[in-house]
Amino acid sequence: GENVEQHPSTLSVQEGDSAVIKCTYSDSASNYFPWYKQELGKGPQLIIDIRSNVGEKKDQRIAVTLNKTAKHFSLHITETQPEDSAVYFCAARRYSTLTFGKGTMLLVSP
Amino acid sequence: DTEVTQTPKHLVMGMTNKKSLKCEQHMGHRAMYWYKQKAKKPPELMFVYSYEKLSINESVPSRFSPECPNSSLLNLHLHALQPEDSALYLCASSQEPMTGRAFFGQGTRLTVV
Repeated sequence: GENVEQHPSTLSVQEGDSAVIKCTYSDSASNYFPWYKQELGKGPQLIIDIRSNVGEKKDQRIAVTLNKTAKHFSLHITETQPEDSAVYFCAARRYSTLTFGKGTMLLVSP
Repeated sequence: DTEVTQTPKHLVMGMTNKKSLKCEQHMGHRAMYWYKQKAKKPPELMFVYSYEKLSINESVPSRFSPECPNSSLLNLHLHALQPEDSALYLCASSQEPMTGRAFFGQGTRLTVV
């Protein structure tokens, strides 16, 4: 099955800095890569996604890049704000199954 | 509207109890999912329903019994659970099982005593 590795497990930044979270996947059959933000006591919220035929996608302060050859994808958050503090999960979909990375706790200090 | 509604939000049950978790979506999605999430861990897939039929069971113990009464509803029936089954149970849905974005509900926090 698919295996998704995510790094770092914890990331602390100052407000206004950029944050980068990286993931690798193992199965070349995976073709869709979403990112979720999960706040304490809530369900995961989809924040951005990318399909395997696209290399980069941006939505305001959030961007995702995908390198299919190397089987890795990254989340970039610019101009971080305290409300960006949460756990972020990357995921890879192979057929109908989403496999998640272990998560990154992002802490943005004012 | 990308809302998936789960009830109840919290549930405490004894090991001999029978209870059910409910999930509802009105986005016309034809795939629905149950995930289990332990503290500080990622969600783990339990079941996939595709067009109201169970398509994937990730070797989940029979004390968890899913049901999809119609295209908008998904239930998870619980019976004779163990304390280690305590977790956040998440429901999700997507337009199709192999395509489309998956949207999650807020989850049911289950405690087995």
